Amino acid sequence: NAGVMQNPRHLVRRRGQEARLRCSPMKGHSHVYWYRQLPEEGLKFMVYLQKENIIDESGMPKERFSAEFPKEGPSILRIQQVVRGDSAAYFCASSPPGPRNTGELFFGEGSRLTVL
Amino acid sequence: DAKTTQPPSMDCAEGRAANLPCNHSTISGNEYVYWYRQIHSQGPQYIIHGLKNNETNEMASLIITEDRKSSTLILPHATLRDTAVYYCISHDPNAGNNRKLIWGLGTSLAVNP
Repeated sequence: NAGVMQNPRHLVRRRGQEARLRCSPMKGHSHVYWYRQLPEEGLKFMVYLQKENIIDESGMPKERFSAEFPKEGPSILRIQQVVRGDSAAYFCASSPPGPRNTGELFFGEGSRLTVL
Repeated sequence: DAKTTQPPSMDCAEGRAANLPCNHSTISGNEYVYWYRQIHSQGPQYIIHGLKNNETNEMASLIITEDRKSSTLILPHATLRDTAVYYCISHDPNAGNNRKLIWGLGTSLAVNP
């Protein structure tokens, strides 16, 4: 049973380019969460999605950042016109719906974005 | 801001028990205590969680004080592979499905040979 899959693991972009990070949740999980971790800091919640719906995006920067979780395919975190401050590790997590949900999150290995 | 406080770092000798404390004095009645760890450059890994009773699984034990204002994660026989940052988080899993966890800086545990 594959875990949460994220790709790419490492991404290098120049300022002004776009970054797309992908996340496939664990099988049977319909809830996806994106977190960002700056160097030497804890994780910060960005967005919570279910299939085709954004449930909570209170942690997303107001500009340049967007997320989706389409009916088919992985969840995508998109950062437009990247700046050096976007350099961070972006972690995706998933959880199952309903009564199987005991509150724990299952994390992927992260995507490390470096902006030159 | 995180709702829990942890010491920034701890050391432990290999083979000995590692006891990691966490204060959560403002925890509400519906909030559980969750522990995760993050080994360098990897994604966080769930360890254990509990409400008010002590819990044990194959990874660790969780001891929660009777007033629920603090807890201790116990790794009974620490190995070098347990070197990681350990995060203690309080969260109500029944407040919808939103896992909007609030992470602090955790405790950096170094297991020494």
